[in-house]
Amino acid sequence: NAGVTQTPKFQVLKTGQSMTLQCAQDMNHNSMYWYRQDPGMGLRLIYYSASEGTTDKGEVPNGYNVSRLNKREFSLRLESAAPSQTSVYFCASSEGGGTGKRYGYTFGSGTRLTVV
Amino acid sequence: AQKITQTQPGMFVQEKEAVTLDCTYDTSDPSYGLFWYKQPSSGEMIFLIYQGSYDQQNATEGRYSLNFQKARKSANLVISASQLGDSAMYFCAMRGPGWKAGTALIFGKGTTLSVSS
Repeated sequence: NAGVTQTPKFQVLKTGQSMTLQCAQDMNHNSMYWYRQDPGMGLRLIYYSASEGTTDKGEVPNGYNVSRLNKREFSLRLESAAPSQTSVYFCASSEGGGTGKRYGYTFGSGTRLTVV
Repeated sequence: AQKITQTQPGMFVQEKEAVTLDCTYDTSDPSYGLFWYKQPSSGEMIFLIYQGSYDQQNATEGRYSLNFQKARKSANLVISASQLGDSAMYFCAMRGPGWKAGTALIFGKGTTLSVSS
C-alpha cells in the first residue's frame, strides 16, 4: 500500500547509544516531517524538510539530526540517546504548497523508542 | 505564534449519542487550515476532516462534522451517533501560515474519548 513507512517499529536503547530512525514515502511528496509524541503533549515537530536538499529545525530539535537522503527518504538520528528521548516518533509527508485537504499529511505508523 | 488548545483531557459518551470535542486556535494569518486526527490505541494517526479558513461551509465527512466559528477561533469536532470504535485520542491541528512547501502541522495536546455501551 502507498504511504509512509517507518522502521523500526520498536527499539530499546541504552543511554549514550546512537541510532537512526528511517522513513520512506512513495507518494512523490515534496515535504517530510519528524514529530515526537509524549503523553499529554500532543505531537511536537522535531525537524522538517520542505523539499529534497533542505532541512530545518522544528520546535524540539535538540539531541537530533536529520538527513533528507533523496525525495523519498528522511532519516532521524539520535547521536547519544538520553532517557528524555523516550517517546513515540512519527514521520509524515505532504505535497507541500497549495490549498485544501488535497495537500494533507500522511503519517507513518510510528516508532516506539525507549532509552534506559 | 500559532497555537492549538484542546481543553478537554477526557470525554465520556454513551453509544449513539453525539459528542463535541473542543478546539480553539490562535493565528494572525488569514490563510490557514484546520485538521482533526484520530489516534486509536493501535497508535496510527487517522485523518478525519479538514476545514480551510476561507471555506464558506462547515466541513462534513460522514458522522464527523466541524463546527467552524472563525470569529471565535474555534474548530470543534462533532461526532454524531457515537460508536464503540470511536474510543480513541483525538487531535486538532493547524497548518502553519501560508501554503508553501514544508508548512508543518501544529498539534493540540489531544482529547481522549471513551464511548460506553
